[in-house]
Amino acid sequence: DVQMTQSPSSLSASVGDRVTITCRASQTINIYLNWYQHKPGKAPKLLIHAASSLQSGVPSRFSGSGSGTEFTLTISSLQPEDCATYYCQHSYSTLAFGPGTKVHLK
Amino acid sequence: QVQLQESGPGLVTPSQTLSLTCSVSGGSLSSGVYYWSWIRHLPGKGLEWIGYTYYSGSTFYSPSLKRRLTISVDTSNNQFSLKLSSVTAADTGVYYCARRNGEVTDAFDIWGRGTMVTVSS
Repeated sequence: DVQMTQSPSSLSASVGDRVTITCRASQTINIYLNWYQHKPGKAPKLLIHAASSLQSGVPSRFSGSGSGTEFTLTISSLQPEDCATYYCQHSYSTLAFGPGTKVHLK
Repeated sequence: QVQLQESGPGLVTPSQTLSLTCSVSGGSLSSGVYYWSWIRHLPGKGLEWIGYTYYSGSTFYSPSLKRRLTISVDTSNNQFSLKLSSVTAADTGVYYCARRNGEVTDAFDIWGRGTMVTVSS
């Protein structure tokens, strides 16, 4: 099975900062990689699919890149409402989520 | 606008079976590009994929839960269901139903609001 790791596990940043989260797969998954935002008490929200395609309605400050085994989610200018846990998820074979990265304001 | 809504008991006795239903509104569960999924969020842990079903009744389960798991579909009522047997406190968490969309690299693009399930005597 493909295993997913994320780094960092948590980060603290200021409003307006550029934030980057990395997701790595234990074997190549092409571009079968999706990113979600999860806030407490809410359903997770799909941000990026196919590694770099922005889901409809998601602000353009979110972007994704990568292929193969290494992927990144970037928030170009962090906003207070972006405080959440972010998960990567592969859809290459048996599904799996990464362990998550918690983003909070400094 | 497709919407999903979970329903079921919020409290389950240890060793019993957890049963949840997801009702699909605003669209047909029988559309061929979607897989109807269950995902959970356990306290202090991340998201865990449980399994999914296709409208035909085909199912795909997480290897770690397969032994205890049954997911079924009811196309006439536009619903799908989860049954997890022999539950323990470790199964306590928020359970989500979600739509896996084959047109967006099999991402989970629509989610229910989630339902909290506590396993306790």
